[in-house]
Amino acid sequence: GQQLNQSPQSMFIQEGEDVSMNCTSSSIFNTWLWYKQDPGEGPVLLIALYKAGELTSNGRLTAQFGITRKDSFLNISASIPSDVGIYFCAGRIAGGTSYGKLTFGQGTILTVHP
Amino acid sequence: EAGVTQSPTHLIKTRGQQATLRCSPISGHTSVYWYQQALGLGLQFLLWYDEGEERNRGNFPPRFSGRQFPNYSSELNVNALELEDSALYLCASSLAGAGHTDTQYFGPGTRLTVL
Repeated sequence: GQQLNQSPQSMFIQEGEDVSMNCTSSSIFNTWLWYKQDPGEGPVLLIALYKAGELTSNGRLTAQFGITRKDSFLNISASIPSDVGIYFCAGRIAGGTSYGKLTFGQGTILTVHP
Repeated sequence: EAGVTQSPTHLIKTRGQQATLRCSPISGHTSVYWYQQALGLGLQFLLWYDEGEERNRGNFPPRFSGRQFPNYSSELNVNALELEDSALYLCASSLAGAGHTDTQYFGPGTRLTVL
């Protein structure tokens, strides 16, 4: 079952506002990834993080790999209507049995009002 | 560069039947992963194939199986379909090897409906 707690579950914001979402886990993760999924499509990789403390940007998106390796956050600055979608955190739990297996959060539904 | 492709887009089956879903990875990727996304839920890991071998498996019953072909494409087979198997099935691919298998790129999915 799910081992990632992603929050918030949904957000309703005005265009131009900044957005922040996060994921926490009771397990240590080796990798954190952030994906965006549009209706009827597969998730698209936004940012990948591989080291504790790593801070990575991709345009208006910034994500960080928490120092404890048990959390990550994603920030979106100056939101625009096309940011609408479901954002998922994902990662690989440390340990040999999880090799190749990503664990996903339950998603944050983002709605942007023009 | 073409992304991960999946077929069919939609599949409708009745309970007890078998379903076969197909996936072609990004060119150069040798690892293929399958995930199940039930309505309103996050993605659940099903299977990982690399170099034709099953490398890891999620908490799903044995009636979920698959294989990987020499050209690295893959099939997911679901036998004895049950109503709760209705979901979006997503395939992902990655380069092989440590440090690469975590970065997975997804296809558009196959929507399986079991009646």
